[in-house]
Amino acid sequence: DGGITQSPKYLFRKEGQNVTLSCEQNLNHDAMYWYRQDPGQGLRLIYYSQIVNDFQKGDIAEGYSVSREKKESFPLTVTSAQKNPTAFYLCASSRWGLAGTINSYEQYFGPGTRLTVT
Amino acid sequence: KNEVEQSPQNLTAQEGEFITINCSYSVGISALHWLQQHPGGGIVSLFMLSSGKKKHGRLIATINIQEKHSSLHITASHPRDSAVYICAADPMDSNYQLIWGAGTKLIIKP
Repeated sequence: DGGITQSPKYLFRKEGQNVTLSCEQNLNHDAMYWYRQDPGQGLRLIYYSQIVNDFQKGDIAEGYSVSREKKESFPLTVTSAQKNPTAFYLCASSRWGLAGTINSYEQYFGPGTRLTVT
Repeated sequence: KNEVEQSPQNLTAQEGEFITINCSYSVGISALHWLQQHPGGGIVSLFMLSSGKKKHGRLIATINIQEKHSSLHITASHPRDSAVYICAADPMDSNYQLIWGAGTKLIIKP
């Protein structure tokens, strides 16, 4: 079945360590996204990628890095520079519109990774 | 002021009740999305609409572009409908980012 997988579901790290969250999709979608969700708040975009080997910063990119070496994969690294890394992280993917507007298509979400840094 | 506002923030109702969740936005949009987030955290897209009304099972979404308002209705609500419902606006002058509402937490009691 087609879908998006994120691993692990729960992740615990010590402060000062970098950690990489995995996101894989087999939907053949061009666009992929990383969101952060904090309690009581809406989703906030960290990074997005429209095509392989290209990605753009979202609203809260500081302290995060990504790569897009393969169409199927869009890993997110939470670096030690991220001041408040404890959060729920969601990966999503969508088709990419012919006019270059990705927002005309539904986004499909992975199950999320809950990261706790102490 | 947030560009996308949802109301109510929290809603508790009895099984069988008709549910309405509202979403107001302040920007021009090309589409409005409704999504459901399950208690475990997973998010699924329910509707994407740019005009009128869409229906899927017991769920109905409407949008009034002139009033910049959308509603999500659930008929004959059931405890399994308990979830957070999120609206997100797709702005016309998009830099490819959706504007997300904070969500409405719905609890349906048996």
